[in-house]
Amino acid sequence: EPEVTQTPSHQVTQMGQEVILRCVPISNHLYFYWYRQILGQKVEFLVSFYNNEISEKSEIFDDQFSVERPDGSNFTLKIRSTKLEDSAMYFCASRDVVADPYEQYFGPGTRLTVT
Amino acid sequence: SQQGEEDPQALSIQEGENATMNCSYKTSINNLQWYRQNSGRGLVHLILIRSNEREKHSGRLRVTLDTSKKSSSLLITASRAADTASYFCATDRYGNKLVFGAGTILRVKS
Repeated sequence: EPEVTQTPSHQVTQMGQEVILRCVPISNHLYFYWYRQILGQKVEFLVSFYNNEISEKSEIFDDQFSVERPDGSNFTLKIRSTKLEDSAMYFCASRDVVADPYEQYFGPGTRLTVT
Repeated sequence: SQQGEEDPQALSIQEGENATMNCSYKTSINNLQWYRQNSGRGLVHLILIRSNEREKHSGRLRVTLDTSKKSSSLLITASRAADTASYFCATDRYGNKLVFGAGTILRVKS
């Protein structure tokens, strides 16, 4: 069964450093998402991406964040200058354009630790 | 309370018992989904119910949706130790972002 993959599984970085989290969505999916989950808290929406542009973003997704689909398979989330409060699990998700009723398939997540 | 609030926050039962978790939400929705998350791991999609459906079954799972009360329930029958996990409801309003609740931590004792 096709699945969403994410790399790395765990990233440790120092405050102020840039990080790039990578995701490979399911191949025929065209909607992509990033969510995050701070330890012990609920999963929060960050951004959705379709047709090579952001379709919606939350207030969390400020200028420090950016997303990109650099090629036909990868979908990345970049945090330019990490803060301690960016420590969280980051989940990528994708869904089919025509599928109903819009099930999103989640990757296993990348645990980001900012020290 | 925020969109997609679950109760109880934590539930502890014996293996073989049924577990019921509830979710409430505030806005109109397109569908409501339930996910499971084992400790520190990814999200596993369990079941999706559309706004025009009232009940749905999948194996040992039964989900109900009451749009007039803006609430849903997830029932796990004949629970197993392997069902120990956090369970989240997530609402989908426009077919775009999912709004997750705070989750119910289920512990099934063997």
